[in-house]
Amino acid sequence: QKEVEQDPGPLSVPEGAIVSLNCTYSNSAFQYFMWYRQYSRKGPELLMYTYSSGNKEDGRFTAQVDKSSKYISLFIRDSQPSDSATYLCAMSLTGDSWGKLQFGAGTQVVVTP
Amino acid sequence: NAGVTQTPKFRVLKTGQSMTLLCAQDMNHEYMYWYRQDPGMGLRLIHYSVGEGTTAKGEVPDGYNVSRLKKQNFLLGLESAAPSQTSVYFCASRPLTGGETQYFGPGTRLLVL
Repeated sequence: QKEVEQDPGPLSVPEGAIVSLNCTYSNSAFQYFMWYRQYSRKGPELLMYTYSSGNKEDGRFTAQVDKSSKYISLFIRDSQPSDSATYLCAMSLTGDSWGKLQFGAGTQVVVTP
Repeated sequence: NAGVTQTPKFRVLKTGQSMTLLCAQDMNHEYMYWYRQDPGMGLRLIHYSVGEGTTAKGEVPDGYNVSRLKKQNFLLGLESAAPSQTSVYFCASRPLTGGETQYFGPGTRLLVL
């Protein structure tokens, strides 16, 4: 079983809808949680970064971490065709001085006009 | 400020051939990483490094070697390429302090025939 599970999709939504993405994980020691966005044939770029539990909002994007359930979410409000990409969750351990990240497989999102 | 760059962008190899992928970063980051990305598998860590001359194995190191002779460069070598090494390779870097975020290059697409 993978340490980080993520539904690969594709997830197709109409423009303006809310996109809801999530990852589950098995290692309770994870403390740092990230969401990366990856456009086709490009490298991943950081979208959201959260430490430990709670919510974080940045414009149309909201990241949530529920450590008790080992579950993280990303919400995209008022989705746009430019949000069409693959979204990767990533997480790392407290005390891992090498900063190694565990990635989910990525969810492909398609926003249709 | 170019960030993280990778050379080449695309390469076709025959089984048994060797090649070196080059990663360069101009952000003075201490940590550097090599990942491979395969469909449905997400990003998997091959090797990583913190500083010149210091490297370590990641999740999938077999068939690869690395070198970090200069702080800004991280080389990934394939001594005898196999079709199973057909993948997209990403390099990433991260500063020693200031968070867990990794900054990715644009990737190298490798096809081994």
